[in-house]
Amino acid sequence: EIVLTQSPATLSLSPGERATLSCRASQGVSSYLAWYQQKPGQAPRLLIYDASNRATGIPARFSGSGPGTDFTLTISSLEPEDFAVYYCQQRSNWPYTFGQGTKLEIK
Amino acid sequence: EVQLVQSGAEVKKPGESLKISCKGSGYSFTSYWIGWVRQMPGKGLEWMGIIYPGDSDTRYSPSFQGQVTISADKSISTAYLQWSSLKASDTAMYYCARQIGGGSDYWGQGTLVTVSS
Repeated sequence: EIVLTQSPATLSLSPGERATLSCRASQGVSSYLAWYQQKPGQAPRLLIYDASNRATGIPARFSGSGPGTDFTLTISSLEPEDFAVYYCQQRSNWPYTFGQGTKLEIK
Repeated sequence: EVQLVQSGAEVKKPGESLKISCKGSGYSFTSYWIGWVRQMPGKGLEWMGIIYPGDSDTRYSPSFQGQVTISADKSISTAYLQWSSLKASDTAMYYCARQIGGGSDYWGQGTLVTVSS
């Protein structure tokens, strides 16, 4: 089973700042990595698929990079609605797995 | 409009059985995998398994193999997750999600399952 390790566990930033979230895979997952955003009481929302492709309706301030084992989600300038928990997920091998999440909180 | 609508919250006792549902609409239900994801209280997301409603091909995560059963009825565009004997540790929110090539693009609203004596 591929283990995804996200860092940091918590990221405290202010609106307007740049956020960089990391996800490291225990083995190569090619580009088969997605990022999700989850707000309290809501289902997750797909942000990025295949490492660097924005899902439909996702603002351009969200970007992703990869491939291989080290992936990054960047939010170029934080908006108030971006404070949430972010998860990476691989679909290279079954079982699909999620990282443990990064909580992005307002500083 | 693509929608996945899940059945309502459940409160059960340990040892009871349960089947929750996820009804798809607005797209060809038989053409996309549906996955089930568990989220225990205050915790992260865990893949449980996926099913292809077109032919009922099903895969389980090793952690959930033998613990749950995933099925689908394509005639009514509905996927199911069931337990034969619930435990307190099954208390969680359960989500279904449609799988596209790159990820899970549509999610159900979640079904909260509470197991308590």
